[in-house]
Amino acid sequence: DTTVKQNPRYKLARVGKPVNLICSQTMNHDTMYWYQKKPNQAPKLLLFYYDKILNREADTFEKFQSSRPNNSFCSLYIGSAGLEYSAMYLCASSSLRNTGQLYFGEGSKLTVL
Amino acid sequence: QQKVQQSPESLIVPEGGMASLNCTSSDRNVDYFWWYRQHSGKSPKMLMSIFSNGEKEEGRFTVHLNKASLHTSLHIRDSQPSDSALYLCAASTQGGRALIFGTGTTVSVSP
Repeated sequence: DTTVKQNPRYKLARVGKPVNLICSQTMNHDTMYWYQKKPNQAPKLLLFYYDKILNREADTFEKFQSSRPNNSFCSLYIGSAGLEYSAMYLCASSSLRNTGQLYFGEGSKLTVL
Repeated sequence: QQKVQQSPESLIVPEGGMASLNCTSSDRNVDYFWWYRQHSGKSPKMLMSIFSNGEKEEGRFTVHLNKASLHTSLHIRDSQPSDSALYLCAASTQGGRALIFGTGTTVSVSP
């Protein structure tokens, strides 16, 4: 089973409110990623967990938080949503043996009003 | 600055024709390239990878890599309507665990 599941698929949030997105995978992958995708832009890496070690990109360091309570789950947390956070958020996972083969979820579309 | 550049932005190919997509990295530390395909409304899925100079063929798909110029290309021969999708190029450095993606090339195969 090569499934990565994301919840919710669609999220409407008000400016200034928190947002929590959830991702799960059943492939026992050691690495889980979060990408942000806006129309006509490249998927932008926000952060990734290798096992329990969190790596956050420098330019989004303060904007996004994440937790990985166990190997299967990973969350993406926005403390105070702004209009610029409106985007598709893609979760992906990979194994140590093949780090370049990412398995993506269907995405969580966040709209901030 | 975008580290992975793709061209063209979009491409219309007649059914049965050849589609050629390009990808270049501006990061000299890049060692590995991947091609992902994303059908409309679906998540990206890995199509092919290439790590060494030269060519790699899988069915109707051929990937070329020139490591000196950090340029890779994807060629789709005998294009089918089901090949209509967004094609994303991704790169990583040796030892790196995360992929950096380009903006993609939208391929439309016209019947």
